[in-house]
Amino acid sequence: QQQVKQSPQSLIVQKGGISIINCAYENTAFDYFPWYQQFPGKGPALLIAIRPDVSEKKEGRFTISFNKSAKQFSLHIMDSQPGDSATYFCAASRGTGGFKTIFGAGTRLFVKA
Amino acid sequence: GAGVSQSPSNKVTEKGKDVELRCDPISGHTALYWYRQSLGQGLEFLIYFQGNSAPDKSGLPSDRFSAERTGGSVSTLTIQRTQQEDSAVYLCASSSPGRGPYEQYFGPGTRLTVT
Repeated sequence: QQQVKQSPQSLIVQKGGISIINCAYENTAFDYFPWYQQFPGKGPALLIAIRPDVSEKKEGRFTISFNKSAKQFSLHIMDSQPGDSATYFCAASRGTGGFKTIFGAGTRLFVKA
Repeated sequence: GAGVSQSPSNKVTEKGKDVELRCDPISGHTALYWYRQSLGQGLEFLIYFQGNSAPDKSGLPSDRFSAERTGGSVSTLTIQRTQQEDSAVYLCASSSPGRGPYEQYFGPGTRLTVT
């Protein structure tokens, strides 16, 4: 019930291509779904987030698509750049009972120049 | 402004010794979180503080792990009688109710190596 499953584990994309990372959750109590970007040796940084009352959110080249009925959400990186090479984590949070955040296992993205 | 800071950045200790890891959250952030990240893995939730109290300690892996927060600011994660499986990066994050309790800002982490 508390798991967030993320795929793929790793991803190689050509420069200019679209990177797609998928996540699925089980607990319908989650009400906030962020994506974090982590570079080696650094802590994760919030990239973009969505709430379940919205089906899509776009910020620049980054888009979250959210399917509440399927309990799935995905990150799309348009026009992927070598500088996007990092590890991406999806997560799910709930406000009631404390603000615990459950993270996916991460996707290592490599964008080839 | 200053972000979340953690110290030390690296810690090497012998099996069986105790270690203390420190987190300085962003000023004014009332919520503070500790996570553990093993090599190539995701983030494992350890504990969450709201002010000085810890309403959720469910992620602490054993009674060798404890954490406290004083003055609604600095937090210390203590690991007693360290074991090799404790080797990981320990990350701290903070958040502000003003920006929603969910938006967490992470520190750079403390890399703990138990030999």
